[in-house]
Amino acid sequence: KAGVTQTPRYLIKTRGQQVTLSCSPISGHRSVSWYQQTPGQGLQFLFEYFSETQRNKGNFPGRFSGRQFSNSRSEMNVSTLELGDSALYLCASSDVGVVNEKLFFGSGTQLSVL
Amino acid sequence: QQQVKQSPQSLIVQKGGISIINCAYENTAFDYFPWYQQFPGKGPALLIAIRPDVSEKKEGRFTISFNKSAKQFSLHIMDSQPGDSATYFCAAASEKLVFGKGTKLTVNP
Repeated sequence: KAGVTQTPRYLIKTRGQQVTLSCSPISGHRSVSWYQQTPGQGLQFLFEYFSETQRNKGNFPGRFSGRQFSNSRSEMNVSTLELGDSALYLCASSDVGVVNEKLFFGSGTQLSVL
Repeated sequence: QQQVKQSPQSLIVQKGGISIINCAYENTAFDYFPWYQQFPGKGPALLIAIRPDVSEKKEGRFTISFNKSAKQFSLHIMDSQPGDSATYFCAAASEKLVFGKGTKLTVNP
């Protein structure tokens, strides 16, 4: 089986722009979670989707949003980018019904905001 | 209460030695405690996980020790190898998965 695929791998944006990141989960996985990883704050939970429904959300401002499609693919969007949004954004999928268990992570999208 | 405190921040071990990474939590609602391993340029990969009704779990050279009363858990890597050099994250889950800040392990040959 192919792993979790995230595109693009690298992205450079300027302040005020918006960005959309894409995630294709492992085939058959219906849960997709998103995390932000920075050197200072570590890994922080953004949100989790299961069967197109957001089941849980982390403590991020409303500029961060996501969605999941019927084929389980997911996108996250960040509007009005700030310098502090520079980070590695990781997507993880799971085939386990219980949330947060046995996550398989992609290699991430490295976002740089200038 | 949602924090997971991980120590040490970095660890250097000789090949064949034992690597020990410790984590502590406050929220008693956590019911699943995984460890993830991350190599540079890659996403974290699940290494081993434990539930609070078990005090120890071993998979190959990797062992989790869990102390429910102290709200602490640790990862032991026996016979550490240079290929184990990576960043290790502990985590705790209830409705959300909360990660520790990570430990950068270097195993010298």
